[in-house]
Amino acid sequence: DTAVSQTPKYLVTQMGNDKSIKCEQNLGHDTMYWYKQDSKKFLKIMFSYNNKELIINETVPNRFSPKSPDKAHLNLHINSLELGDSAVYFCASSFGLLPYEQYFGPGTRLTVT
Amino acid sequence: EDKVVQSPLSLVVHEGDTVTLNCSYEVTNFRSLLWYKQEKKAPTFLFMLTSSGIEKKSGRLSSILDKKELFSILNITATQTGDSAVYLCAVEALGAGGTSYGKLTFGQGTILTVHP
Repeated sequence: DTAVSQTPKYLVTQMGNDKSIKCEQNLGHDTMYWYKQDSKKFLKIMFSYNNKELIINETVPNRFSPKSPDKAHLNLHINSLELGDSAVYFCASSFGLLPYEQYFGPGTRLTVT
Repeated sequence: EDKVVQSPLSLVVHEGDTVTLNCSYEVTNFRSLLWYKQEKKAPTFLFMLTSSGIEKKSGRLSSILDKKELFSILNITATQTGDSAVYLCAVEALGAGGTSYGKLTFGQGTILTVHP
């Protein structure tokens, strides 16, 4: 009965590969987010979708492409992985655009070697 | 660019101590300031503050916002080992037209370690 789930939890891959991280929420929320947390613990918003429409698109390399097939899912695809992409990626969801109701997933630790 | 700075970056105390964590911000079109606790995994929401001078309290934790001086503090009294975590401060900015669009800018966090 996990509220926000992400797969995989850990991802180790080599530079240049393409990988995807999946996120699903069963809370009935209509807004989903992707955050990146680097080694210094900075948590930065990358994207958000509201009712499958892109709302926030921060300055992120275009190697990162989010896809929201429906309101319950927001996947993140990363092309041509680089060492600097190593981080923990958190998915979150909320009802509407109310930040205090953002529920975070457990995170995906991505390591690029 | 919106900016959130937390201090100290890390803090080590003993159980029973009282701690104060600081968060200062520079943001265009401020709407709210939020505190999160992050243990091993996902951040969990603690408080949301929108008005100056009104203390929010939950058990041993309390927080207050000063919109004139652009900072907030998070107090934890009678600390316990279970309070050990990273405490994150985030600020929400309004978008064009004054509408909320859920964008949070986070500080780098304060790592709190409470020893028995």
